[in-house]
This record gives sequence, structure tokens and C-alpha cells, in this order.
Amino acid sequence: AQSVTQPDIHITVSEGASLELRCNYSYGATPYLFWYVQSPGQGLQLLLKYFSGDTLVQGIKGFEAEFKRSQSSFNLRKPSVHWSDAAEYCCAVKVPQAGTALIFGKGTTLSVSS
Amino acid sequence: DAGVIQSPRHEVTEMGQEVTLRCKPISGHNSLFWYRQTMMRGLELLIYFNNNVPIDDSGMPEDRFSAKMPNASFSTLKIQPSEPRDSAVYFCASSSGGEDTFGSGTRLTVV
Repeated sequence: AQSVTQPDIHITVSEGASLELRCNYSYGATPYLFWYVQSPGQGLQLLLKYFSGDTLVQGIKGFEAEFKRSQSSFNLRKPSVHWSDAAEYCCAVKVPQAGTALIFGKGTTLSVSS
Repeated sequence: DAGVIQSPRHEVTEMGQEVTLRCKPISGHNSLFWYRQTMMRGLELLIYFNNNVPIDDSGMPEDRFSAKMPNASFSTLKIQPSEPRDSAVYFCASSSGGEDTFGSGTRLTVV
């Protein structure tokens, strides 16, 4: 069975500083990989996804993520964090075929200090 | 498109009462998913449907939970009887392939 680990429950970053959120997965092959963002009281918004091809993927709001097969990781990065980036970030995987469900990590809460 | 529509947005009920959560998926999407989000466990898959047929309900906590999808445009998640530990945010999502779209969720509080 697939599983996702987000080692950091809560991270605080200064505004303007760089950000990296960690995500590791367990699966026998390469899954589909996703990062979602959830603002307080809101639903989940897709930031970016990886299905195949270039291992560095660009998303919305200036985020990017890199798939590293050797490390089973899909870490999310942003070069300069804005106060509006404060939110819950969820990494998820899916078996690479149609009609399967997302498996989520427990999420990382990002706080941004001024 | 209006996206995935969930109702109600908030529900407060007393322990022992029946609760029904509703979801309207995006038109043309053939997969529908129900998730539960808690502080302790994050987002957990409860059940999902492909073409209105339940595929995997192994995440449904116990017999008090049931889900139906009578047609391609509507699904319900029912809890009967409800308990305080069922308090959580319940999300519905739909998909036509690799990318899922989520509704805004229903925040359930059982007192």
C-alpha cells in the first residue's frame, strides 16, 4: 500500500526567506505526485503535480517541486515566501492509473513571520 | 463550471442523530471521493466511486457510516448514529483522470 510522510508538522519562515517542505512516499513504482494548499476554512487547491517527464515541475503562486526517484521524495520549494503563503500544505500520491484515490500525508502547517 | 458542490457547509448535531452530507461532482467526472480531515490524522480516504459504483470502502470507520451514489451527479455520506468523535471536516472530490478537484468541505460538529 502507498503511504506519504511529511516529517515537519509545523514550520515557521520569515517573510522573504526561502522555503522547502519535505515529502517522502512509499510505493513500488513511480506514483503520480501532488501538492495541495489549504487556507484556513477553505478547500484544497492544487499547487502542482508530477506524472512523468521533467522531474522539476512548476506550479502556481511561484512554487516548484522536484521529484527524486532515488530518495522517493517530492519536496516543495519557493525562493521567497510571502505572508499570504501561510497555510496548510498537503503532499499526496496516487497509483498511476485512472480511477484511483489520493493518499495524503498528514500535512505541514506553514507560518510566516514578519 | 461551479466546481464540486458540498452541502451543508457547517453542521452541528447532537450525539445519536443521523447526519447526511451531500456532494455534487463536476459534470463529466466519473470518479467521486469522500475524505475526512482531522487534526490528528490529516486527510483520510473514506470511500470512492467509479462510474457510480463503490470501488474501495476500506476507509469507512465502521457500520455507522454509509455512502451512496445513486447517479452521476449526486452522492451522500450518512452517519447514523453520530458520535462526538465523528467531528471533522468532510471533503468530497471528483476526477476524470489524474487530477482531482475538491469541494469546500462540510465541517461537522457532534455535541
